Amino acid sequence: QVTLKESGTGILQPSQALSLTCSFSGFSLSTTGICVSWIRQPSGKGLEWLADICWDDGKGYNPSLKNRLSISKDTSNNQAFLKITSVDTADTATYYCARRAPVAYYWYFDFWGPGTMVTVSS
Amino acid sequence: DTVLTQSPALAVSPGERVTISCRASESVSTGMHWYQQKPGQQPKLLIYGASNLESGVPARFSGSGSGTDFTLTIDPVEADDTATYFCQQSWNELTFGSGTKLEIK
Repeated sequence: QVTLKESGTGILQPSQALSLTCSFSGFSLSTTGICVSWIRQPSGKGLEWLADICWDDGKGYNPSLKNRLSISKDTSNNQAFLKITSVDTADTATYYCARRAPVAYYWYFDFWGPGTMVTVSS
Repeated sequence: DTVLTQSPALAVSPGERVTISCRASESVSTGMHWYQQKPGQQPKLLIYGASNLESGVPARFSGSGSGTDFTLTIDPVEADDTATYFCQQSWNELTFGSGTKLEIK
């Protein structure tokens, strides 16, 4: 059974750094083809893909946010991490981690965590 | 970026057939996927590769299209289908549509 769960800083001030952790079970980030992604959603709005990290330590970032994002993983402990620097109110959102389906031709997300809310406020 | 355009909202009655559209600003081949998101929940995968039904998803859901025009069809609609439906493309980077809110009257 595949599960994911996000955790992180709930409330932070502008210019601070946001650190998020995705803890998962039912699969391993050392298995060929497996990737974990971060996606966010401001309240009442759409979804925005942020970044992903794969079994081979390959990383991908949303070009519009690339300079502020850093993704990493701890394979032994089944965790993936995202750091966002210099946050502002526009980063207020629910942050999801999701497994990218291990399909070579398409990139889509077959399992999602419940999300963690992050509020940036002075 | 490839922009995906969806109608904001639809309202249908139970038992009817509903089509939800997603138009891409450039061709995405068949790299289009659909999700259902109920209030307060995470998105759930329904369709991948434009027309492939995810395991465990009722056969009332189907997807079609290629290139720039895609459709998610629910037939027949049930009350539990009240949700927002998002399309997502994976051909040019990775982007989502803004979502279509489906109301069941």
